[in-house]
Order: sequence, then C-alpha cells, then structure tokens
Amino acid sequence: QKEVEQNSGPLSVPEGAIASLNCTYSDRVSQSFFWYRQYSGKSPELIMSIYSNGDKEDGRFTAQLNKASQYVSLLIRDSQPSDSATYLCAVNVYNNNDMRFGAGTRLTVKP
Amino acid sequence: DADVTQTPRNRITKTGKRIMLECSQTKGHDRMYWYRQDPGLGLRLIYYSFDVKDINKGEISDGYSVSRQAQAKFSLSLESAIPNQTALYFCATSLGTPQETQYFGPGTRLLVL
Repeated sequence: QKEVEQNSGPLSVPEGAIASLNCTYSDRVSQSFFWYRQYSGKSPELIMSIYSNGDKEDGRFTAQLNKASQYVSLLIRDSQPSDSATYLCAVNVYNNNDMRFGAGTRLTVKP
Repeated sequence: DADVTQTPRNRITKTGKRIMLECSQTKGHDRMYWYRQDPGLGLRLIYYSFDVKDINKGEISDGYSVSRQAQAKFSLSLESAIPNQTALYFCATSLGTPQETQYFGPGTRLLVL
C-alpha cells in the first residue's frame, strides 16, 4: 500500500461546478497535510495546509481532514478553467524527516 | 527574483557521465530538499539537509550524492548517469517549523541518453 494515495484521474468538471479531490494516507501519526497545485511543466505551489480535523476554507478552496478515517480532501468551488492542473496531496509526520507525496490527480475544468 | 532557483533548467547527458544540478535560495530557510518526479509516481525524496552539517538520505538516494555548500546552496550530483535517472528534478526549501510547508524551485529537466 502506498503511503499517500490519490485517484490519478483525470477528473473533469464543467466550469462553475465543485471539484472534489480525495487523498488517503497510511501513517496514523501523520500530523500535517498539504495540497499543492502543479501546472504542466511547472513546479508545485502550495494551495492549502491543514493540521486539525474539520474544514479549513480559503477563498474558493476548502480542505477537509478526518484523521480517524485517514482521509483528506480538497474542494474547489466555482471551478475555473485556470484551475486545470494536477493536484498533489502531501503528508508529513510531526518531527519526521520527510514529506510524502501522492502521485497527484489531474483536474480539467471545461468551459 | 525567484526565491528558489535551479541550474541548469534543462540538461541532456550521456550514460556514465557525472553531472551536477545546483539549487540556490534567498528565503533564509535552513532545510533544503531534492526530489525527482516521474509520470505516475509523484514526487520522491532523494536527499534532504536540515543545515550545512546535516545531510540525510531520502527514499531513493542510490546513484545520487549531495553537497550543502552553504545555507543557501544545495547541489545534487549523479555520479554515473543512467537512462532511468531521466526525470524532472526539484529542489525545495522549508523553514523547519512543525508544519513544514515546502517551497519549490522551477525544476531541472534531465535526459540521460
């Protein structure tokens, strides 16, 4: 089992819809969770970080964390074509020495 | 100016050659990382450094070595390049807080023939 798993997609949604991206992780002591966006040929850029159970909202983005289920998700409301990218889930264990990334989910928002 | 820079941005080399990829940062972060990215596999950690005197192997360090010349500079070397090291290589930095947000350079695209 991979440490961080994501559906590779592609996930296709119409413009204006809600895009839902999911991620599961295997290490129960994981403490920090991140969503990165990566445009084709570019470097990953941080969108959201979340450390506590529940929801965290930032503009059109909402991260949701459920540590009991070892599940973290990213919702993108009012999806725009510019949101089309690969979204990487990353997990870090407190005081651990490295971050583990999922393989990413490719999202396409169609006009 | 970019906070994390990588040179070169693209490199083509031949099997058996030794090459070096360089990373510099102006963010003042102590922690620096080297990752490679392959299609379908996501980012995998090669080496990381928490300060100039601290170097650690990551998930896939075989065939690679690193040098932390200063707080701001972290170089990755391929001692004898092989075709399966063809990948996109990213340098990243972090502040070192428990939250560990990482900031990535623009990447180096390496092709080993």
